[in-house]
Amino acid sequence: NAGVMQNPRHLVRRRGQEARLRCSPMKGHSHVYWYRQLPEEGLKFMVYLQKENIIDESGMPKERFSAEFPKEGPSILRIQQVVRGDSAAYFCASSAKQGADEKLFFGSGTQLSVL
Amino acid sequence: AQSVTQPDIHITVSEGASLELRCNYSYGATPYLFWYVQSPGQGLQLLLKYFSGDTLVQGIKGFEAEFKRSQSSFNLRKPSVHWSDAAEYFCAVASRSNDYKLSFGAGTTVTVRA
Repeated sequence: NAGVMQNPRHLVRRRGQEARLRCSPMKGHSHVYWYRQLPEEGLKFMVYLQKENIIDESGMPKERFSAEFPKEGPSILRIQQVVRGDSAAYFCASSAKQGADEKLFFGSGTQLSVL
Repeated sequence: AQSVTQPDIHITVSEGASLELRCNYSYGATPYLFWYVQSPGQGLQLLLKYFSGDTLVQGIKGFEAEFKRSQSSFNLRKPSVHWSDAAEYFCAVASRSNDYKLSFGAGTTVTVRA
């Protein structure tokens, strides 16, 4: 069984470009969570999605950031007009059901570097 | 707002020695508590979690953690470390109402010397 797959592993963008990060959850998982880890900090919750629905986006910056989890295909975290402060590791996790009792499976992350 | 503090940024321990990683949290009520480990190039792996009941929790890879309500702590321990335990360790909390939303500490990097 493949785990949570994130790609690309490393993404380099220049200021003003768009970044698209992909996350394929574990097979059978319909709940996806995105976290961001800034340098020297712990992971911070960004958004929680179920298939085709955003459940909680309270951790998402108000502008330039969006996320989707379509009926078919991976979840996408999209960052428009990237700035240097967006440089971070972005982690995706998935679970079969909601709830802390449900085990979260994390991907290896995408390291975004903005030049 | 809930917060998690891991006071030690980096710990070096000899192989075979004991290990203790500290975690303190700030939250109004007892949250759910977790420890994750991240090896280089890997995703985070759950070591153990505390929801309720026995305050001494056993996890995978020989790790255990003890919840101390009076100290708002959830320290991770291992009696005898192996070279493969070299990794970064994260403590995390989640509220019982929004239990999918984890708040992580900044992590402790463990180096194991031969």
